[in-house]
Amino acid sequence: KQEVTQIPAALSVPEGENLVLNCSFTDSAIYNLQWFRQDPGKGLTSLLLIQSSQREQTSGRLNASLDKSSGRSTLYIAASQPGDSATYLCAPFGTYKYIFGTGTRLKVLA
Amino acid sequence: DTEVTQTPKHLVMGMTNKKSLKCEQHMGHRAMYWYKQKAKKPPELMFVYSYEKLSINESVPSRFSPECPNSSLLNLHLHALQPEDSALYLCASSPGRGETQYFGPGTRLTVL
Repeated sequence: KQEVTQIPAALSVPEGENLVLNCSFTDSAIYNLQWFRQDPGKGLTSLLLIQSSQREQTSGRLNASLDKSSGRSTLYIAASQPGDSATYLCAPFGTYKYIFGTGTRLKVLA
Repeated sequence: DTEVTQTPKHLVMGMTNKKSLKCEQHMGHRAMYWYKQKAKKPPELMFVYSYEKLSINESVPSRFSPECPNSSLLNLHLHALQPEDSALYLCASSPGRGETQYFGPGTRLTVL
């Protein structure tokens, strides 16, 4: 059974810092992995999707990497802003569904 | 249009009520999903529809009954719910299974 863990569980940083959010999963037999953000009480917004054959994917200030063999993905956020404050979830797609990680609650202070 | 809409935004119901949640997308996506999310927990998959047919039921109790009347619309019928069913119910769609998922804003359900 796939288990997905995200570290740290919570993070509070001053504006402008570069951040790394970590995601680890126990079953490396995945087709792809998505990173999402979720604002309190709202739906999820897809940030990046990395195919299993890719090592990296970039969108603006966000860069996600995937090391399938070691069961790890990282989300790098450059020059963080208060608007980046949200919960970030990773979700590998295995046999037939996405399994969501425990999330990292990020707060960027102005 | 890259939006998934859900109605209502909030719903309060008693344990003997029957109500329905509605989800709509006009992106031509062929896969649609219902998730349940409790506070401070990740979303949990409930149902998957693929090409308007139910393809996955994650052992959800029968008091939750999904329906896909057409390729744009997904309903979740609720009957005889329990207080522990109170949660945020999220709908999502994707072009196909295992592709980028687009989520709606959710329905906050409270069962009294």
